[in-house]
Amino acid sequence: DAGVTQSPTHLIKTRGQQVTLRCSPISGHKSVSWYQQVLGQGPQFIFQYYEKEERGRGNFPDRFSARQFPNYSSELNVNALLLGDSALYLCASRLEGTGASYEQYFGPGTRLTVT
Amino acid sequence: SQQGEEDPQALSIQEGENATMNCSYKTSINNLQWYRQNSGRGLVHLILIRSNEREKHSGRLRVTLDTSKKSSSLLITASRAADTASYFCATPHYGGSQGNLIFGKGTKLSVKP
Repeated sequence: DAGVTQSPTHLIKTRGQQVTLRCSPISGHKSVSWYQQVLGQGPQFIFQYYEKEERGRGNFPDRFSARQFPNYSSELNVNALLLGDSALYLCASRLEGTGASYEQYFGPGTRLTVT
Repeated sequence: SQQGEEDPQALSIQEGENATMNCSYKTSINNLQWYRQNSGRGLVHLILIRSNEREKHSGRLRVTLDTSKKSSSLLITASRAADTASYFCATPHYGGSQGNLIFGKGTKLSVKP
């Protein structure tokens, strides 16, 4: 079975531009979470979506938005890019529901560089 | 803000030695997880310990949890060069869902052949 997939792998954008990152969860997983990992730091929670609804939001500005589609894939959008948005963006999926394990399954990430 | 804080920030050992990493957290939890990350790529789940457990083993991994001290430790025994990676502890955000994990800054482990 395929794991969590993310696209693109790498991306270079200019300040002020907009970017869309994509994530496909493991088959059967309905929960998708997004994390930002700045170099040398641990991942920081951005959003969680479950059954196409936002379940949680981290301390990020409104320039960050996300959505989940009927097939449970997800997109993360970042508008008006700043140099500080340069980071590894990680997507994780999880099997929700009674008796489900707490662990999350991470994709390989998208490396975003803002110049 | 990050809840988990790992210690040490970096650790360098020889193959065959044991590696111990510690993690502290701030709020009540129902579970604590350890993840590994190779070369800045995706994280891999290693082991989960629930708040009512004190110790858990998985292969060469041993995790302990002390809820009174709000701390956990990860022990890797008989380390191998392939264990070279960054290790993070993570806890669910207090009052949030299990899909919202708070990570520490990580311990960078280097195992020399």
